[in-house]
Amino acid sequence: KQEVTQIPAALSVPEGENLVLNCSFTDSAIYNLQWFRQDPGKGLTSLLLIQSSQREQTSGRLNASLDKSSGRSTLYIAASQPGDSATYLCAVGPGGGADGLTFGKGTHLIIQP
Amino acid sequence: DAGVIQSPRHEVTEMGQEVTLRCKPISGHNSLFWYRQTMMRGLELLIYFNNNVPIDDSGMPEDRFSAKMPNASFSTLKIQPSEPRDSAVYFCASSLSSNGELFFGEGSRLTVL
Repeated sequence: KQEVTQIPAALSVPEGENLVLNCSFTDSAIYNLQWFRQDPGKGLTSLLLIQSSQREQTSGRLNASLDKSSGRSTLYIAASQPGDSATYLCAVGPGGGADGLTFGKGTHLIIQP
Repeated sequence: DAGVIQSPRHEVTEMGQEVTLRCKPISGHNSLFWYRQTMMRGLELLIYFNNNVPIDDSGMPEDRFSAKMPNASFSTLKIQPSEPRDSAVYFCASSLSSNGELFFGEGSRLTVL
C-alpha cells in the first residue's frame, strides 16, 4: 500500500526566503505526482502536476522536482511572500492501472511578514 | 468556467439522520472522486467513478455510506444513518481522465452531533 510522507509538518520562515518542502513515497511505481495548496476552510488548489516520465515542472515562483527511483519529490518556493501561507499537500497517482491519488498529510507553511 | 461545485457547504445533523452530499463536476471531466478529510487521517479516497460507473469503492468505510452518479454532471454521497465519527470535510474532485490533474470542490463540512 502506497504511503506518502511530508516533512516538515510545519514550517515558519521570514518573508523573502527561498524554501523547500519535501515529499516521499514508498512505492515508486507511480503514474504522476501532484502538489496542491489548501487554505483554511477551503478546497485544494492544484499547483503542479508531474508525470512519471518528467523530472520537474515550473510555475512562476514554484518548482517541483520528481525522483521516482528514490521515491522523492520537492517543492521549491522562491522569494516567499505572506500570501504563500497555506498547507501544501503532495499526492501520488498509482501505476498498474489503479486510480485515485494518495495524499500526504501536508506541510503547514507560515510566511512571516 | 465553473469549477467543481459541492453542496451543502456546511451540514449539522443529529446522530441517526440521513445525510446527502452533492457534487457537480467540471463539464467534460470523465472521472469523479469523493474524498474525506480529517485531522487524524488526512485525505482518504472513498470512491471514484469513470464515465458515471463506480470503479473502486474500497475506501467506503461502511455500508452506511453509498454513492451514486446518475449522469455525467451530478453525483451524491449518502450516509444513512450518520454517526458522530462521520464528522469530517467531504471533498468531491474531478479530472479529464482517471489519472489526470485533479480539481477539487470547496468541500462539505459535516458535523454529526
